[in-house]
Amino acid sequence: DSGVTQTPKHLITATGQRVTLRCSPRSGDLSVYWYQQSLDQGLQFLIHYYNGEERAKGNILERFSAQQFPDLHSELNLSSLELGDSALYFCASSTGLALGYNEQFFGPGTRLTVL
Amino acid sequence: AQTVTQSQPEMSVQEAETVTLSCTYDTSESNYYLFWYKQPPSRQMILVIRQEAYKQQNATENRFSVNFQKAAKSFSLKISDSQLGDTAMYFCAFMKHVGDQNFVFGPGTRLSVLP
Repeated sequence: DSGVTQTPKHLITATGQRVTLRCSPRSGDLSVYWYQQSLDQGLQFLIHYYNGEERAKGNILERFSAQQFPDLHSELNLSSLELGDSALYFCASSTGLALGYNEQFFGPGTRLTVL
Repeated sequence: AQTVTQSQPEMSVQEAETVTLSCTYDTSESNYYLFWYKQPPSRQMILVIRQEAYKQQNATENRFSVNFQKAAKSFSLKISDSQLGDTAMYFCAFMKHVGDQNFVFGPGTRLSVLP
């Protein structure tokens, strides 16, 4: 158990819908990262938040957005869902800002299925 | 843009034997980090080992070691005394520099350890 929690574990929804994925980082971790793992694209970095502020963006679609709240939990919002958005979405957390010095710990992931 | 290649989609090894997983990458950066992550059937992403590009000495973590060839842009993972619990997907990952949290992952190698 990494200490990072993600809810829900599984989510099934229809095209065009909107969903919210939630992540609670390890106690004391200020950084939260979101990743998407799909069969087509593999593992991709989406976005990084540090202490409530967006710090880096990867291959995140405009239909997707995220935020980190004052209690440091984070939410990833996916809207106008398409079949291709079906994937495993991981959240990871780390202590500080720089992953070069701080290990990131991954949550168990949320499996999103878009029908 | 950085790319990471893992040329072996699947590999197998007998228990207690040694196996090497290959990874090559492409970058124009001189300072960067390289990682190997393990994803067992539980889907949890676990850091196996990491290497800082400015360090010439190859990283080692117990039964796991790397062969880092900076000029060749090669970063292979050697697993000694393979155990059944090593069965997993293994991802090689690149991170440009300390300030850039944009991880780039390879497509993965599925390793099966056979009894």
